[in-house]
Amino acid sequence: GAVVSQHPSRVICKSGTSVKIECRSLDFQATTMFWYRQFPKKSLMLMATSNEGSKATYEQGVEKDKFLINHASLTLSTLTVTSAHPEDSSFYICSASQDYNSPLHFGNGTRLTVT
Amino acid sequence: AQSVTQPDIHITVSEGASLELRCNYSYGATPYLFWYVQSPGQGLQLLLKYFSGDTLVQGIKGFEAEFKRSQSSFNLRKPSVHWSDAAEYFCAVGGTGTASKLTFGTGTRLQVTL
Repeated sequence: GAVVSQHPSRVICKSGTSVKIECRSLDFQATTMFWYRQFPKKSLMLMATSNEGSKATYEQGVEKDKFLINHASLTLSTLTVTSAHPEDSSFYICSASQDYNSPLHFGNGTRLTVT
Repeated sequence: AQSVTQPDIHITVSEGASLELRCNYSYGATPYLFWYVQSPGQGLQLLLKYFSGDTLVQGIKGFEAEFKRSQSSFNLRKPSVHWSDAAEYFCAVGGTGTASKLTFGTGTRLQVTL
């Protein structure tokens, strides 16, 4: 079945550094990918919609200059957390779909800890 | 704006007992409704979805859900819970097309006692 791979699964970085998270669709092409953030014991908050070949669409309140999204190919979207701070520590999850009427598949998430 | 409410934060059931997780939604048009399950430190797995047609939908792992438009509800049920069902369950609502962006409820953590 369709698989979405997310890497790394866990990352620890120092405050002020940048971290890149990759989301890959392994056996299908995804024109659209979504990035979510999940706070402890909370729901998933949609951060942005990543569109292949065009700029990402960010949700209200999400800083696009801090959370850089690049969807350079039909199988890869990246989320870069720039100048990370401890408050950016969270669980980030991506999802992708083959087309508008196919189910969304989720990656296993990335646990980011900023020290 | 669309929203999802899962009134139960935490539910504990005995193995073999029946289960019902509640979900209420708010959406301006015909909703696409989903239930996902998340194990600790993992991503989300789709249990089932409703788009149209039969209001009782069957999913994986023996789960089912019933769409009740009059109550704006989409409750998840399972007749006999297994210890491996312990996880976090999320209800979600989306627009046309399964790949539209989803709004999730706050989740219900299911604990199963032996």
